[in-house]
Amino acid sequence: DQQVKQNSPSLSVQEGRISILNCDYTNSMFDYFLWYKKYPAEGPTFLISISSIKDKNEDGRFTVFLNKSAKHLSLHIVPSQPGDSAVYFCAAKYRDDKIIFGKGTRLHILP
Amino acid sequence: GAGVSQSPSNKVTEKGKDVELRCDPISGHTALYWYRQSLGQGLEFLIYFQGNSAPDKSGLPSDRFSAERTGGSVSTLTIQRTQQEDSAVYLCASSRPRTNQVTETQYFGPGTRLLVL
Repeated sequence: DQQVKQNSPSLSVQEGRISILNCDYTNSMFDYFLWYKKYPAEGPTFLISISSIKDKNEDGRFTVFLNKSAKHLSLHIVPSQPGDSAVYFCAAKYRDDKIIFGKGTRLHILP
Repeated sequence: GAGVSQSPSNKVTEKGKDVELRCDPISGHTALYWYRQSLGQGLEFLIYFQGNSAPDKSGLPSDRFSAERTGGSVSTLTIQRTQQEDSAVYLCASSRPRTNQVTETQYFGPGTRLLVL
């Protein structure tokens, strides 16, 4: 049973436009959500996170929105840049720190 | 400072052989995680070590998989009698001790790419 779902395996966005990556979860006990970015042949790197008590967290070009009633979160990147092309993983954690990852969305930024 | 390192970076083995994958976490990080990523799949949790507590082994897919962490630092993931479906990238991550209910960021190593022929 997949608890963290990223239903779009890939997404293409024009450079300069907004990229929106979506994530759904099924477990209402998750209390913290994270986004990781992964380049080929490298390990994932932490991008941004949000606590379940908030509905928005912003860091530069990256904003994460959380809709608890819908069990949905999204990552917005604006403006999108070529270096943003990567695989983005949504993740969620229980209080005991075990983190559950989604399958990832491959983002292509088009010139 | 040095990040999380893993060795080997690539491993090709024959079906039925045992393999050992090594992870050196960031110094001072008491939490250590193993994940694997199969082709076209997300990051699958395998095992989690936190300080001196008993590890959370709930993600290990079979009893052919085991992991240990010596001296609270280096960890070894062992796969016995490897099968072709074990082929994947095995990723290790570490993080600082959790303080004041604040989640600490996981730092990932580059992974070991395992191919079982």
